[in-house]
Amino acid sequence: GAGVSQSPRYKVAKRGQDVALRCDPISGHVSLFWYQQALGQGPEFLTYFQNEAQLDKSGLPSDRFFAERPEGSVSTLKIQRTQQEDSAVYLCASSPTGTPQETQYFGPGTRLLVL
Amino acid sequence: AQTVTQSQPEMSVQEAETVTLSCTYDTSESDYYLFWYKQPPSRQMILVIRQEAYKQQNATENRFSVNFQKAAKSFSLKISDSQLGDAAMYFCTYRGGMNAGNMLTFGGGTRLMVKP
Repeated sequence: GAGVSQSPRYKVAKRGQDVALRCDPISGHVSLFWYQQALGQGPEFLTYFQNEAQLDKSGLPSDRFFAERPEGSVSTLKIQRTQQEDSAVYLCASSPTGTPQETQYFGPGTRLLVL
Repeated sequence: AQTVTQSQPEMSVQEAETVTLSCTYDTSESDYYLFWYKQPPSRQMILVIRQEAYKQQNATENRFSVNFQKAAKSFSLKISDSQLGDAAMYFCTYRGGMNAGNMLTFGGGTRLMVKP
């Protein structure tokens, strides 16, 4: 059983460039989460999907951030016109049904550096 | 909004010894869940232990146990017989109940170093 995978693992972007980060959750997992982890800090919630429905996007820091999960499996986090403050590790997590006591299974993250 | 505070940025323990990592949280909810997640260097975050707020009994998973003090909103992690592989960042984490938001709220983390 494969775990959560993310690609690319590392991304260097020039300021103003658009980037797309991909997450492949564990097969069959209904819930999918995106978190942003700045250097030396704990992850912070960005957005949450239940199947293809984006049920919570309260953590997205600006309208430059957009996430989708069109078929209820793979998800993409897109950042438009990247800024230096977007530099962080972006973590994806999935869980079987989304109930509160469930373990969230994390991917290895995508480390984004904006120059 | 819920907050999670880890007051120890770094901790050090001798191999085979016991160490306790501290965590406090703030919430107005009565139904919630607490977790400790471990993030080894350059590796994926994994769950160490979970505690349901409605359970009075402290959770235990092999060498890992918690001291859950609901009234004090305290949730510490004790690691017994520390091993070199325990070296990692440890995050105290909160999640609300069924009617709350679905996200995890993380503390700032405690870096645990294990000395051979």
